[in-house]
Amino acid sequence: DGGITQSPKYLFRKEGQNVTLSCEQNLNHDAMYWYRQDPGQGLRLIYYSQIVNDFQKGDIAEGYSVSREKKESFPLTVTSAQKNPTAFYLCASSIPGQSNQPQHFGDGTRLSIL
Amino acid sequence: GEDVEQSLFLSVREGDSSVINCTYTDSSSTYLYWYKQEPGAGLQLLTYIFSNMDMKQDQRLTVLLNKKDKHLSLRIADTQTGDSAIYFCAESLRTGFQKLVFGTGTRLLVSP
Repeated sequence: DGGITQSPKYLFRKEGQNVTLSCEQNLNHDAMYWYRQDPGQGLRLIYYSQIVNDFQKGDIAEGYSVSREKKESFPLTVTSAQKNPTAFYLCASSIPGQSNQPQHFGDGTRLSIL
Repeated sequence: GEDVEQSLFLSVREGDSSVINCTYTDSSSTYLYWYKQEPGAGLQLLTYIFSNMDMKQDQRLTVLLNKKDKHLSLRIADTQTGDSAIYFCAESLRTGFQKLVFGTGTRLLVSP
């Protein structure tokens, strides 16, 4: 079955540490996205990529970095510069440029501070 | 501007109909989506409607769109306890990529 796999499901970060969240998809989608979800808020876009080797900042990119070396993979690194990283992180993918092709989501990674 | 608003909570009894409302501000929206999120999980696409449509029905789900008032609603008929979840509406903006702007989500609680 095609889908999006995020790992790990739970992640803990120490002060000053960078952590990387994994997102893999086998839907053959060119576009991939990272969102952050805080309690009582909607999803906010961190980064997106419409094609391999290209990515763009979203609305809240500060303190985060990404790479897109393979079509299937779009890892997100939460750097020590992100002072409030505790949140639920969701990865999504879609066929790019066509609004009628919805974004499909993974099951998320919950990041907490130790 | 980009802003999507939803009420935070809705409580209904099993078997009743649920109506979840959403308002948006960007008139250039192309598609509007409804997603469902169960505890600790990602978002599951329920249905979507093109901006030039008024209504879409899909089994127990009915989406109504009032483009003049920028108002979107999701009606769930014969609501079941398994429908308890958070429901997000999202608008797809006319940009160079498929940007979705999400509402804050409505938590639906269905009691037996």
